[in-house]
Amino acid sequence: DVKVTQSSRYLVKRTGEKVFLECVQDMDHENMFWYRQDPGLGLRLIYFSYDVKMKEKGDIPEGYSVSREKKERFSLILESASTNQTSMYLCASSRSGERDTQYFGPGTRLTVL
Amino acid sequence: AQSVTQLGSHVSVSEGALVLLRCNYSSSVPPYLFWYVQYPNQGLQLLLKYTTGATLVKGINGFEAEFKKSETSFHLTKPSAHMSDAAEYFCAVTSFNKFYFGSGTKLNVKP
Repeated sequence: DVKVTQSSRYLVKRTGEKVFLECVQDMDHENMFWYRQDPGLGLRLIYFSYDVKMKEKGDIPEGYSVSREKKERFSLILESASTNQTSMYLCASSRSGERDTQYFGPGTRLTVL
Repeated sequence: AQSVTQLGSHVSVSEGALVLLRCNYSSSVPPYLFWYVQYPNQGLQLLLKYTTGATLVKGINGFEAEFKKSETSFHLTKPSAHMSDAAEYFCAVTSFNKFYFGSGTKLNVKP
């Protein structure tokens, strides 16, 4: 079974803090994704990566950056957290190919005070 | 451009009744379509997907969906709702490795 794990289920941070969310997958998938999920808005893509050290902006990259130094790990960074970044963050991975299923981690619920 | 519309942000059915969750898509290329389910405080889990071949797709937990190209629809159905089906359901279409998700439909199942 594919397993995608995220470093924290719940996280509380203060405005202005630097926040790291980590995601690890164990199936040697090429693609990895970060989404945020907000009520009524569904899932919105923040960043994705097709390969190590490669990244592309999604629909809402402002205020975020990412890092992929190893194939299995994809990190989302909030350089200076703000209250409007309070959200559920979901990581996903997939093989290369648009028919391929995305597998999701359990999510990190981030609250920025 | 690809997009997905899910009609009805909340759907409520009685236990044992038919479940119908609607999804319409727009796609400039032949679509690959997915339904995911999300239980409270969990990530998304694949229910079923359509890539090619048979237009009626069967998934887990008794769900199925039918791809109708002429209607650009991929509605999700289940003949008889169970209390454990209460969750949020997302339809998605893919293009060039990216998924485009609908805004989700929360299914409530009444005893």
